[in-house]
Amino acid sequence: GQNIDQPTEMTATEGAIVQINCTYQTSGFNGLFWYQQHAGEAPTFLSYNVLDGLEEKGRFSSFLSRSKGYSYLLLKELQMKDSASYLCAVMDSNYQLIWGAGTKLIIKP
Amino acid sequence: GAVVSQHPSWVICKSGTSVKIECRSLDFQATTMFWYRQFPKQSLMLMATSNEGSKATYEQGVEKDKFLINHASLTLSTLTVTSAHPEDSSFYICSAERGASSSSYNEQFFGPGTRLTVL
Repeated sequence: GQNIDQPTEMTATEGAIVQINCTYQTSGFNGLFWYQQHAGEAPTFLSYNVLDGLEEKGRFSSFLSRSKGYSYLLLKELQMKDSASYLCAVMDSNYQLIWGAGTKLIIKP
Repeated sequence: GAVVSQHPSWVICKSGTSVKIECRSLDFQATTMFWYRQFPKQSLMLMATSNEGSKATYEQGVEKDKFLINHASLTLSTLTVTSAHPEDSSFYICSAERGASSSSYNEQFFGPGTRLTVL
């Protein structure tokens, strides 16, 4: 079966750095997405990786290793507004998004 | 950017009634739209894929007669929850797929979601 694993919850301090990991097992691979979702709102797109390596976009970076079935989202200089759930999703061979359960990130002052 | 709207943003209805949710792509045409359901503290669950001009493709376990999907135009898809019951209470989110650009994938843009509460 297809499976996306990510931690349920993480806590970090304002101004610090946090890394949210995601491992996946899917039938085929056409890219990995990270989305941010605040409570009661729809997800918003953060990043897309289809090749191995690190993609940097401001305070957020996303890394992919296809051979390991592994990705992480790195958030730097954490701000209180970064408190949200972060969803990892993989596009399989049918171009269908398979979603992880999300990681709830709690930022403390 | 690409904007997707949903209407209504929240709805409360009595058990046994039907509720229609609209999903519109405001500044682009979407051949494909997706309907998701999300229960509290859970991830998005794809319900169906809606293709303009053809029947929707439902995921396993989703009753097509209960969740009616109509994708009548390239900018509008509707989801009708028929004979709603309290267990149908959830956050319903649509997304619209914009065609290939310079990227190697078709971007999905999400609507703001509709919170349905069935009493």
